Amino acid sequence: DAKTTQPTSMDCAEGRAANLPCNHSTISGNEYVYWYRQIHSQGPQYIIHGLKNNETNEMASLIITEDRKSSTLILPHATLRDTAVYYCIVRAAGNKLTFGGGTRVLVKP
Amino acid sequence: EAGVTQFPSHSVIEKGQTVTLRCDPISGHDNLYWYRRVMGKEIKFLLHFVKESKQDESGMPNNRFLAERTGGTYSTLKVQPAELEDSGVYFCASSKRTGGNRARSYEQYFGPGTRLTVT
Repeated sequence: DAKTTQPTSMDCAEGRAANLPCNHSTISGNEYVYWYRQIHSQGPQYIIHGLKNNETNEMASLIITEDRKSSTLILPHATLRDTAVYYCIVRAAGNKLTFGGGTRVLVKP
Repeated sequence: EAGVTQFPSHSVIEKGQTVTLRCDPISGHDNLYWYRRVMGKEIKFLLHFVKESKQDESGMPNNRFLAERTGGTYSTLKVQPAELEDSGVYFCASSKRTGGNRARSYEQYFGPGTRLTVT
């Protein structure tokens, strides 16, 4: 599976949108972009995934560039409970998830 | 629907002892994965079951680890004998079956993990 690059950490103000970038320049045509997060010591939580089209669900939006070499996860109105480590992962269908270091997001009041 | 469950939530054992972790996936999920995070490291894949068959066990660290999924329902991960470096959090995840040339990619749902401490 392709490797991803994310900033180590970022802060966000409560109530504002949080935009989390991810680079995956070596992504293959059959690989999906996944986002998970891990809140403190809980199990990773699925957020959203996409192949080439932008996606939106109740948690977040995923914007994938046309060349698919990068993407942005958008949390539209960050709350304190969104403080977590966010992982951008690319994988082919059915394959394992390869976690990197992720982005440590701190939502501040 | 019930999520992925894992038992026990915590386990403290001495070096050389045996521990068995259990994972109950979401009902109807054919794919079952084991991952772990050891102290200070990233979450690492251990192995992947499709029903009762091992699809990928490339992440299993050594032969002290044995995973089973008899009947394609719950899975167990046995560590025998446990070593100090086995301490960490063991996560289980499950997902729907994928297949075919135009396979959809299904999300993996994770359990809360089992925190294993080997002393």
